[in-house]
Amino acid sequence: EAQVTQNPRYLITVTGKKLTVTCSQNMNHEYMSWYRQDPGLGLRQIYYSMNVEVTDKGDVPEGYKVSRKEKRNFPLILESPSPNQTSLYFCASSLSTSGIDTQYFGPGTRLTVL
Amino acid sequence: KQEVTQIPAALSVPEGENLVLNCSFTDSAIYNLQWFRQDPGKGLTSLLLIQSSQREQTSGRLNASLDKSSGRSTLYIAASQPGDSATYLCAVCLGWRGKLIFGQGTELSVKP
Repeated sequence: EAQVTQNPRYLITVTGKKLTVTCSQNMNHEYMSWYRQDPGLGLRQIYYSMNVEVTDKGDVPEGYKVSRKEKRNFPLILESPSPNQTSLYFCASSLSTSGIDTQYFGPGTRLTVL
Repeated sequence: KQEVTQIPAALSVPEGENLVLNCSFTDSAIYNLQWFRQDPGKGLTSLLLIQSSQREQTSGRLNASLDKSSGRSTLYIAASQPGDSATYLCAVCLGWRGKLIFGQGTELSVKP
């Protein structure tokens, strides 16, 4: 089944404890990105990647890192999480390098930082 | 700065009704517009994508239209069913870096 998977789905952590949210797609998509969703603010792009080893900042990149060592994986790293990073996170992928076609989203990761 | 607005924020209808969800955007320089459905715990599901050069797209009971010049899109759902209950999001794609600008969504409830 073609899909985008994220792990973990739920995570409660404490301020400052490094964590990684994994994202993997099995559709051989070139483009991948991360969004966060907050009440009243909607979905906002954090980082995106147009190809292996090519990543760039979205609208809200502060406090996050990403890497794209393989086409299928695009992990989101929070080196020192803070409470304002409590949010619902979505990974997305798209076939073309530019990401201008249909984007497929993962099921989301709900993160709580205490 | 591109802004996307969806009205109403919530909508409740009886089963079987035809309904229209609205989406407006402030800058007509978009590459495409996508409609998504969001179910609790299941992420976003793409429903329809309309290229900027197109006027409408159809999939089953769904029909989405796009009027780029006026900055509007509508999602028409025919013969609504309880299973259509979800939050519907529209998003405009700004092009080269694939960024989607999302509206706040319309929460739809279809009552049996």
